[in-house]
Amino acid sequence: AQSVAQPEDQVNVAEGNPLTVKCTYSVSGNPYLFWYVQYPNRGLQFLLKYITGDNLVKGSYGFEAEFNKSQTSFHLKKPSALVSDSALYFCAVRDPGGGADGLTFGKGTHLIIQP
Amino acid sequence: NAGVTQTPKFQVLKTGQSMTLQCAQDMNHEYMSWYRQDPGMGLRLIHYSVGAGITDQGEVPNGYNVSRSTTEDFPLRLLSAAPSQTSVYFCASSYSNPLAAGVADTQYFGPGTRLTVL
Repeated sequence: AQSVAQPEDQVNVAEGNPLTVKCTYSVSGNPYLFWYVQYPNRGLQFLLKYITGDNLVKGSYGFEAEFNKSQTSFHLKKPSALVSDSALYFCAVRDPGGGADGLTFGKGTHLIIQP
Repeated sequence: NAGVTQTPKFQVLKTGQSMTLQCAQDMNHEYMSWYRQDPGMGLRLIHYSVGAGITDQGEVPNGYNVSRSTTEDFPLRLLSAAPSQTSVYFCASSYSNPLAAGVADTQYFGPGTRLTVL
């Protein structure tokens, strides 16, 4: 079965500093990987995804993520954090071969950007 | 496009009551699904549908019922509410079935329904 781990419940970063939100995964074969963001009292919004090709994926709002197959990781990064980036971030994985597992989400990481 | 809409936004029920959470999308998406979000547990799939007239169970289907009579609508029914069903419920849709091989479509989420069962 596929799984996702987000090892940090909360990440605190000062505004203007670089940020990293960690994600590791377990899936048979090459994964499809996603990052979603949830702002307070809102639904999830898509940020970026990795399917194949370049290991560095660029997404919305200046975010990017790096796929590392040897470390089974897909960490979310941004060079300079904004207070408005404060939100709940979810990593998700699925097996490209399909199956009833569908899309598996991590537990989420609260990102708090301090002015 | 309104995207994915959900009603109501908030609901309080007493144990044993029944209700229907509404979900609609105007993007002509074939795939629709319901998730529940609980603190520290991420999102868990309740039921999904790959097209009108076709539904199936997800990870946590017990106590919930769904139907899909049209492409646009995918209501979730709580048959006899229990306190364990207190949660935030999200409806999502995508053009293709994410359970199928080779599909990596983005899922679009509604704003959620916050349900409290007393």
